[in-house]
Order: sequence, then C-alpha cells, then structure tokens
Amino acid sequence: AQSVAQPEDQVNVAEGNPLTVKCTYSVSGNPYLFWYVQYPNRGLQFLLKYITGDNLVKGSYGFEAEFNKSQTSFHLKKPSALVSDSALYFCAVRDGNAGNMLTFGGGTRLMVKP
Amino acid sequence: EAGVAQSPRYKIIEKRQSVAFWCNPISGHATLYWYQQILGQGPKLLIQFQNNGVVDDSQLPKDRFSAERLKGVDSTLKIQPAKLEDSAVYLCASSPPSLAGGVNEQFFGPGTRLTVL
Repeated sequence: AQSVAQPEDQVNVAEGNPLTVKCTYSVSGNPYLFWYVQYPNRGLQFLLKYITGDNLVKGSYGFEAEFNKSQTSFHLKKPSALVSDSALYFCAVRDGNAGNMLTFGGGTRLMVKP
Repeated sequence: EAGVAQSPRYKIIEKRQSVAFWCNPISGHATLYWYQQILGQGPKLLIQFQNNGVVDDSQLPKDRFSAERLKGVDSTLKIQPAKLEDSAVYLCASSPPSLAGGVNEQFFGPGTRLTVL
C-alpha cells in the first residue's frame, strides 16, 4: 500500500521569508511524487513532479522540491514567499511499479502574512 | 486550451435521493479520474477510466456509486441513494496519453460541492 503524510496542518510564514511544506511518503516500488496547490473554490493545480533524475525539481511560481530517498521525503520549498502563495498544498505519490493510482496527503494550509 | 469542465458546481439534496455529476475532460485526454474530497482531507480516487474502459474502481462504493464514460470522452458519476457521509467535493481530472517512460500530471476541474441533508 502507498501512503503520504503531511505532518503540518498549517504553516505560517512572513512575506519575503523562505517557506518549506513537508511531505513524507511510503511506497513499495519507485515513487512518482507530485505537488498540487488548491485555491478556494477551485480545483487542484499542478506545481511540480519527480519521476527520476535530479533530486531537486523546479516547478511553477518559483516553487521547488527536493527528493530524498533515504528519508522518503519530498518537501516543497520557495526561497521568498508571497502573500498570493497562501493556499492549500497537497503532496501525492504514485507507485511506479504498481498501477496508476495517485494517493494524496491530507494537505497543508500555507498562510503568508504581509 | 479549455480546462476540465464540471457541472453542476453546487448541489444540495436530502439523504436517500439520487444525484449525478458530469465531467468533460480536456480534449485528447484519454485518462479520466473521479475523486472524492471530504472537507479537511486530501482527494481520494474513486474510479479511473482509460478511454471508455475502467482501469481502477477499487475504492468506489459500488452499492451506491456508479460511473460511466460510454464514448470515451465525457463522464457521469452517480450516487443512488445518497447518505450524509457523501457530503464532499467531487473532483474530475484528466491526463493525456503518456509517451514511453513518461508520467503525466493530472489536470483537475473546479469540482462539484455536494451537501446531503
């Protein structure tokens, strides 16, 4: 079985400061990892993904994520937060060796204060 | 390009009633997904279609939920009869065909918010 944990329900950061949203995963095979963002009353929007290759993945809106196999983590990061980054962030995993099902974490609310 | 379309956006029904949701994926996207997102949780996959065939429906409560994608384009998800615990946002997503070795992301619609009273 595959699973995702987002240990923080909410992350608060001041505008201009770096942000990190944590994600750890569990799969039997090779992990395919994704980050999505959800704004109020809107569907999820894709930010970035890790399939293979370089452990540091760059995505939309200045976000990046680092794949760490030994720690089974895929934390989302941004060097300088914007107020407009405030939203709900979801990490998701798919087992590359077993089917197409995407399993999402419970989400982390990011609040960026001016 | 146009995104994933869903209707209605909101629906309020009483328990034991029936309800149907409609989804039109992005043109050319062979794979279509229905997710249930309960308030405060991440989306949970209900069913996945590849063209008009079901790939995975292991988490679909088949005693009351059904879905179809008869022509391999748009899709309908039905609940009959609804229960209070079905109150959630129902998200539809689609993804394009993958090239060899590729893994594509999913594109999500705005969702249908269902309230069961």
